[in-house]
Amino acid sequence: DGGITQSPKYLFRKEGQNVTLSCEQNLNHDAMYWYRQDPGQGLRLIYYSQIVNDFQKGDIAEGYSVSREKKESFPLTVTSAQKNPTAFYLCASSIDGLAGVRDTDTQYFGPGTRLTVL
Amino acid sequence: AQSVTQLDSQVPVFEEAPVELRCNYSSSVSVYLFWYVQYPNQGLQLLLKYLSGSTLVKGINGFEAEFNKSQTSFHLRKPSVHISDTAEYFCAVLNYGGSQGNLIFGKGTKLSVKP
Repeated sequence: DGGITQSPKYLFRKEGQNVTLSCEQNLNHDAMYWYRQDPGQGLRLIYYSQIVNDFQKGDIAEGYSVSREKKESFPLTVTSAQKNPTAFYLCASSIDGLAGVRDTDTQYFGPGTRLTVL
Repeated sequence: AQSVTQLDSQVPVFEEAPVELRCNYSSSVSVYLFWYVQYPNQGLQLLLKYLSGSTLVKGINGFEAEFNKSQTSFHLRKPSVHISDTAEYFCAVLNYGGSQGNLIFGKGTKLSVKP
């Protein structure tokens, strides 16, 4: 089965700790994305990567970091600098991250990780 | 900058009644339009999308949406809803011809279908 997996489903963190959220896809997609979802706020883009070894900041990148060493993996680290990290985090991918491409712009989402800071 | 407005944060409706979830976007530049559905504690599932061609788009689960360029709208409709349609629905817009990564989401509409 092709798809996007995120782990863990639920994650608890103490204040001041860094934590890494996993995102893996076996769809052979070039582009991957991380979003944060808060109640009543919709989704906001944290980081995205159009291709391996390249990534760009989204609208709310402060306090987060990413890496893209492999095509199928795009882990997100929530650092202690993120002041309000409790949220639902969603990973997505699309065939081609290049601008102006048509159907390949469609993004497909993983099941999400709910992070709670204690 | 592009923005997406979903005019209703919550829509209660009785089973088998029709429903319309409204979505308006701000920019008149060339856009792709999407509707996603999210069930509790799950990721987003693509319902339908408008890329080009016919302005009436049919999606999964009996949903359809109509792209209206002059009104910058992309409202989602279903003629008869089921209890299983209870979920949160997100409208999203992507400007093409610019930098990638900027899929802009609305804040969501919670559809509650009552028996």
